[in-house]
Amino acid sequence: DAGVIQSPRHEVTEMGQEVTLRCKPISGHDYLFWYRQTMMRGLELLIYFNNNVPIDDSGMPEDRFSAKMPNASFSTLKIQPSEPRDSAVYFCASSPGGGYGYTFGSGTRLTVV
Amino acid sequence: DQQVKQNSPSLSVQEGRISILNCDYTNSMFDYFLWYKKYPAEGPTFLISISSIKDKNEDGRFTVFLNKSAKHLSLHIVPSQPGDSAVYFCAASAGNQFYFGTGTSLTVIP
Repeated sequence: DAGVIQSPRHEVTEMGQEVTLRCKPISGHDYLFWYRQTMMRGLELLIYFNNNVPIDDSGMPEDRFSAKMPNASFSTLKIQPSEPRDSAVYFCASSPGGGYGYTFGSGTRLTVV
Repeated sequence: DQQVKQNSPSLSVQEGRISILNCDYTNSMFDYFLWYKKYPAEGPTFLISISSIKDKNEDGRFTVFLNKSAKHLSLHIVPSQPGDSAVYFCAASAGNQFYFGTGTSLTVIP
């Protein structure tokens, strides 16, 4: 398995633009997580899905953030409109559940100027 | 509120010596703990885990200790090597969701 695949690796965008981050989880993993890494809060959970259904989105900072999982092999995290304070590394992770740990993707470094 | 805390943002250790990374948690329901290692420009990778029914788990140079009464776990790396230089995250879970600390950046000095 190629692991969790995220795209793009880097994204630079202007304030106010829409940004879409993509994730392909490991096949057979029922859980998918979106995290944001910042210096202040470390790895911060934004939202997670179980069997394509959003379970907990309480970590989504505000309405500008939205996430979808239309099928078991694809998820998106969208920021519209983007702001400079959204600049961070965004990680996607998947898990088979049952308390097993996560496998992380390589992350998307987002810079909003 | 942070349920998992790593109070040392950074740590420097001489090669060959022991590295001790600490982690505290607040939720007594947590029953499974992990350590992840992260190199720059890469995603975190699983390092070692421990269940709450144990107080120690060892894997080569890496040992994790769990003190449930103190809600504290630590990762020991002996001997430390320059390739161990990375950010280490601890994580805790009471189900399918893991809560992560803010990370400790370890530098092993040759």
